[in-house]
Amino acid sequence: GAGVSQSPRYKVTKRGQDVALRCDPISGHVSLYWYRQALGQGPEFLTYFNYEAQQDKSGLPNDRFSAERPEGSISTLTIQRTEQRDSAMYRCASSLGVTGMNTGELFFGEGSRLTVL
Amino acid sequence: GENVEQHPSTLSVQEGDSAVIKCTYSDSASNYFPWYKQELGKRPQLIIDIRSNVGEKKDQRIAVTLNKTAKHFSLHITETQPEDSAVYFCAASNNMLTFGGGTRLMVKP
Repeated sequence: GAGVSQSPRYKVTKRGQDVALRCDPISGHVSLYWYRQALGQGPEFLTYFNYEAQQDKSGLPNDRFSAERPEGSISTLTIQRTEQRDSAMYRCASSLGVTGMNTGELFFGEGSRLTVL
Repeated sequence: GENVEQHPSTLSVQEGDSAVIKCTYSDSASNYFPWYKQELGKRPQLIIDIRSNVGEKKDQRIAVTLNKTAKHFSLHITETQPEDSAVYFCAASNNMLTFGGGTRLMVKP
């Protein structure tokens, strides 16, 4: 696609429900990142992939959060048993090169705004 | 891991004046330092970046300087215009990007 696409754009869920957020990166981009951005703050790193391999998941807050990118393209961030503190904008970004070898421009998606009631 | 501090958190300037935003980082292995601009309700977008083998880079009204010894880098915007009003984020990278907390720049006409 022309840019990084995320869905859903808005998600309202009740506490305790599971949610899955989808990211479709720019075609051909090798690296894919998940960030969380609170209102008025900088993006907070969650995890990233080179191709289908999850390289770093040190930013995932706890074991309720997981991410996958099984075919090296689309990625899903899953939050199990959601809590109110999980409410935030979740942003996906992709980059052409392999992270760590030639880190370059990140192209961000519009984000998925999650609200947990 | 990397820690990036950004100052000031808000900056108000008169149209035509210059604006300077400063960042420090902690990981001496970081080698890539981009700056992103985020307009209200939109996604962050790259405006300029610099790598560790360069001390300064300029693109029209925007320039970035890097001091690796002191582990700090700065964004300079000259001849500011109202459309420069946005939140600006610095970032540092060894592997993944770590962002600063952001600076809300307001350019008053």
